[in-house]
Amino acid sequence: RKEVEQDPGPFNVPEGATVAFNCTYSNSASQSFFWYRQDCRKEPKLLMSVYSSGNEDGRFTAQLNRASQYISLLIRDSKLSDSATYLCVVVTDKLIFGTGTRLQVFP
Amino acid sequence: EPEVTQTPSHQVTQMGQEVILRCVPISNHLYFYWYRQILGQKVEFLVSFYNNEISEKSEIFDDQFSVERPDGSNFTLKIRSTKLEDSAMYFCASSEAGGANYGYTFGSGTRLTVV
Repeated sequence: RKEVEQDPGPFNVPEGATVAFNCTYSNSASQSFFWYRQDCRKEPKLLMSVYSSGNEDGRFTAQLNRASQYISLLIRDSKLSDSATYLCVVVTDKLIFGTGTRLQVFP
Repeated sequence: EPEVTQTPSHQVTQMGQEVILRCVPISNHLYFYWYRQILGQKVEFLVSFYNNEISEKSEIFDDQFSVERPDGSNFTLKIRSTKLEDSAMYFCASSEAGGANYGYTFGSGTRLTVV
């Protein structure tokens, strides 16, 4: 089983849509969880941390289910500028990246 | 906002040549990392560095690779004899406290092309 697994997509959605990405991880000892965003040929940028209680940052909501080793990201009211690859990241003693899920928002 | 700075942004080198990739981490950060991303693939861990020594390295980080913090600001990755498969984007990152709580800040990367 891969350390961090994501559906590569692409997810093609219209502006204003709600879209959800999922991620599973294999190491139950993982300590922290993040979503990063990566634009084409750019560096990963921290989008948000993920907490067990769930957390929200504007249009973005992240959830963690430790029992199922499952992380999600929900984007509401998608904007064209949300088009990017979303990387699920799990921390053991270092950051471990998933392959990313590509999102394309169209007008 | 503090940044991690990497130079050069793009380096082309011949197979077998040595390259040095440079990074200036955020000034109050204590942990430093190199990651790489082969085109179309995921971001992969290479090495972590703390207190002037390597704290962990991946199996990718073989004897061809070395890291150094030659002064108080720079953090370098050296590839001794480059191979075609070393072509990738190399990202430097730094963190305050091992990344568990804050994640890392990444530099904009160096695109290494080995020909």
